[in-house]
Amino acid sequence: DQQVKQNSPSLSVQEGRISILNCDYTNSMFDYFLWYKKYPAEGPTFLISISSIKDKNEDGRFTVFLNKSAKHLSLHIVPSQPGDSAVYFCAARRNPYGNKLVFGAGTILRVKS
Amino acid sequence: DTGVSQDPRHKITKRGQNVTFRCDPISEHNRLYWYRQTLGQGPEFLTYFQNEAQLEKSRLLSDRFSAERPKGSFSTLEIQRTEQGDSAMYLCASSPNEKLFFGSGTQLSVL
Repeated sequence: DQQVKQNSPSLSVQEGRISILNCDYTNSMFDYFLWYKKYPAEGPTFLISISSIKDKNEDGRFTVFLNKSAKHLSLHIVPSQPGDSAVYFCAARRNPYGNKLVFGAGTILRVKS
Repeated sequence: DTGVSQDPRHKITKRGQNVTFRCDPISEHNRLYWYRQTLGQGPEFLTYFQNEAQLEKSRLLSDRFSAERPKGSFSTLEIQRTEQGDSAMYLCASSPNEKLFFGSGTQLSVL
C-alpha cells in the first residue's frame, strides 16, 4: 500500500516563477514530514521538513505547507531556478518506529530558463 | 569529507552470484538505514540499525539478504544468489535524529 503519494510524475516551470509540488498521505500516525531533492547518480539530499504540530515551515526560497485535515502537504519554491531541476521526494515518519521514512514516488521538476 | 560513503558506486554481476556492499555512516550518527530504489519509485526501506543492533527488517528483505553493522560503525549489505529483480540502487543513510543523510548509493545491475 502506498502511504505517501506524489500524483504528479513531472512538473515544468519557467525560471523565476513558483514551483508547487504536492504530496498526499494516508496514515494519520505520521508525525514528521520531509522533502528530499535528488540529482541523477546521487543520493537524496534533505531539503526541508515540518512537524505535524505546525502548518508551515520556511527556509529561504523553500516553504512547506501541511494540511493535516486533508492529509496533504506541498512544497513551494519561489523563485524557481534552473539548478532546482531535480527529482523531489516527499517522505513521512511514523514514530516511534525508529525514524523509518516512507517515501513517495517522486516528482521530476524541470525549471526552464 | 564527513558525509555517508558507499562502496562500490556501481556493481555488475551475473545472476546467481553473491554481492556485498559497504556503507560508512557519518561518524557521530548512531542510526544506519538501508533503502532500495528502482526507476520511477521512491526509496523503499529495507532495514535499520541502532548502533550494532538490527532493530527492524522490511518484508522486502528476503532471506537472500543480510545486513550487519559490527561494532556500530560501518555496515555491509550482502545479497546471495542474486536475481535480475535485485537490480536497483541501494542507498545507505545515517541519522542522529529525524533527518536521514544519504550516501550516493550503489547501483547494482544483475545480468
